Amino acid sequence: AQSVSQHNHHVILSEAASLELGCNYSYGGTVNLFWYVQYPGQHLQLLLKYFSGDPLVKGIKGFEAEFIKSKFSFNLRKPSVQWSDTAEYFCAVRTRNQGGKLIFGQGTELSVKP
Amino acid sequence: EPEVTQTPSHQVTQMGQEVILRCVPISNHLYFYWYRQILGQKVEFLVSFYNNEISEKSEIFDDQFSVERPDGSNFTLKIRSTKLEDSAMYFCASSETASGNTIYFGEGSWLTVV
Repeated sequence: AQSVSQHNHHVILSEAASLELGCNYSYGGTVNLFWYVQYPGQHLQLLLKYFSGDPLVKGIKGFEAEFIKSKFSFNLRKPSVQWSDTAEYFCAVRTRNQGGKLIFGQGTELSVKP
Repeated sequence: EPEVTQTPSHQVTQMGQEVILRCVPISNHLYFYWYRQILGQKVEFLVSFYNNEISEKSEIFDDQFSVERPDGSNFTLKIRSTKLEDSAMYFCASSETASGNTIYFGEGSWLTVV
């Protein structure tokens, strides 16, 4: 069965620090890859997505992610985090099979200290 | 930008009562989903729906759950006899296709079973 694994459960950073959140998935076929963010008490918002083409994708709020097919990875990065980036981050994978459902990772809680 | 809308935003119900959560997907979308998120946990897939039938359902989606698209615009999730452990945020989502497009999420319906 397909699965998504996020390496870090909780990350604590100071403002201006660089961020990298790991995400690995298990599926051998074509995938669509997503990162969603959930601010405290709010719904899921799309940060960025990868369907095909350039493996380095840029999203909103200065986030980017790199798809490395050989490593089945889609890590999220941001060069300099802000206090307002405090949120839960979910990596998700979508395959064409089975109605195109999204499979989510466990989530990484990011706390940014001012 | 088009939105997925959900009602109610918050519902409190007594154990054993029936609950219907409503969703209006984006108008030209054909694939519909329900997910749930128990407080502090990951986002879990419940069911996908396409062409007026269930494409896939998870183990969570037992006989207590049902989905319906009664009038071509609404997409409902019914829980027949709620249990305490059904307390969660329920997200509706929709997508134009099964792959190669973003899945858009609603703001969620927070269900509290007492």
